[in-house]
Amino acid sequence: EVQLVESGGGLVQPGRSLKLSCAASGFTFSNYYMAWVRQAPKKGLEWVATISTSGSRTYYPDSVKGRFTISRDNAKSSLYLQMNSLKSEDTATYYCARREPFDYWGQGVMVTVSS
Amino acid sequence: DVVLTQTPPTLSATIGQSVSISCRSSQSLLDSDGDTYLNWLLQRPGQSPQLLIYSVSNLESGVPNRFSGSGSETDFTLKISGVEAEDLGVYYCMQATHAPLTFGSGTKLEIK
Repeated sequence: EVQLVESGGGLVQPGRSLKLSCAASGFTFSNYYMAWVRQAPKKGLEWVATISTSGSRTYYPDSVKGRFTISRDNAKSSLYLQMNSLKSEDTATYYCARREPFDYWGQGVMVTVSS
Repeated sequence: DVVLTQTPPTLSATIGQSVSISCRSSQSLLDSDGDTYLNWLLQRPGQSPQLLIYSVSNLESGVPNRFSGSGSETDFTLKISGVEAEDLGVYYCMQATHAPLTFGSGTKLEIK
């Protein structure tokens, strides 16, 4: 059974950093592109980052480019999201998801950016 | 960025009724490789999104066949043929043809 389990969320002050993790199981992790998608409270879905199978290619929207870094450890079947210079508008539930075609999603982890 | 406009924003249906949700794109979603990367997701209350349909019309494994997708280029539709109580939630279309990947604003399905 495919499982994606996020961790690392919490309350953080503006300008600080936080690193999210996503533990994958039930499939050959190294064969898939992976992504992070977030959802602000009571809002819709927003793509945050994508990483290639080897980790050599990463993609971001302008809203997080330069502040967020996606990475992976295929030996550990783990996905990460390093978030720096956090802003209040980064407050959201963060989901890791398997691409293509976004067929599996984790349960999500909440990140609250507030002083 | 590609804008996906979903209509209606809310939908109220009785059990057994058939309903449709529209997703219109600001650009053609036909990729140069010949595929059209338009997916439909359902987010039930308090849950993560789940994939229903991928590449316009392909039913994801395990998804009931009362769900179907159609369309091309810029105009897409999700149809539910005979709504069931478990279908309540918010439906999103999403596109992965053009960077950045974008989502529609969602259609909330309520059961009367």
